[in-house]
Amino acid sequence: DAGITQSPRHKVTETGTPVTLRCHQTENHRYMYWYRQDPGHGLRLIHYSYGVKDTDKGEVSDGYSVSRSKTEDFLLTLESATSSQTSVYFCAIRRTGEDGYTFGSGTRLTVV
Amino acid sequence: AQTVTQSQPEMSVQEAETVTLSCTYDTSESDYYLFWYKQPPSRQMILVIRQEAYKQQNATENRFSVNFQKAAKSFSLKISDSQLGDAAMYFCAYRSPGVYGGSQGNLIFGKGTKLSVKP
Repeated sequence: DAGITQSPRHKVTETGTPVTLRCHQTENHRYMYWYRQDPGHGLRLIHYSYGVKDTDKGEVSDGYSVSRSKTEDFLLTLESATSSQTSVYFCAIRRTGEDGYTFGSGTRLTVV
Repeated sequence: AQTVTQSQPEMSVQEAETVTLSCTYDTSESDYYLFWYKQPPSRQMILVIRQEAYKQQNATENRFSVNFQKAAKSFSLKISDSQLGDAAMYFCAYRSPGVYGGSQGNLIFGKGTKLSVKP
């Protein structure tokens, strides 16, 4: 749907392990975003990208890194997962000429 | 920095009735965009309606309309003839026009309002 897919859809991992979430788009848009959603907090921006190898931090970037080696893929890595990173993670794209974002279906990550 | 506030964590409406969800925001900018997103239990984020700040006319999409009060920095969502399928989390969001590579164009969300629809 809308040319954006996230994988995996669900993941359970142990504290201290690295985790990588993938966002893939088929429409060649420049802007891509990673948000996390937590009860009582809405969606908060982790990192964003405005082109290949062009990324920047968002509001809650500590403990996360991203990479964008090609236009279609935006990877989010939790370098050493902690229980506070248990959350639902959303990827989004901004289509050229549009103001809003299109979101992926989200990844529910549980860190035990 | 811009902020978005949704003061109603939960709301309830009877089927076929009308409900209004509140949203206020804080900004010093004169040009920006405002959005309402719906998130049903499926978790998918769905764009409901958008408003450009320089347009005085309130946006409307079928049963959904907004009351945009720029001076008051208020952007409420009205849902008419509520249906069971309208039950969801609703998020208000703000975005400034932004510049290339800058953070100003990022979408800022409120904490959400959970809407229940009673049959």
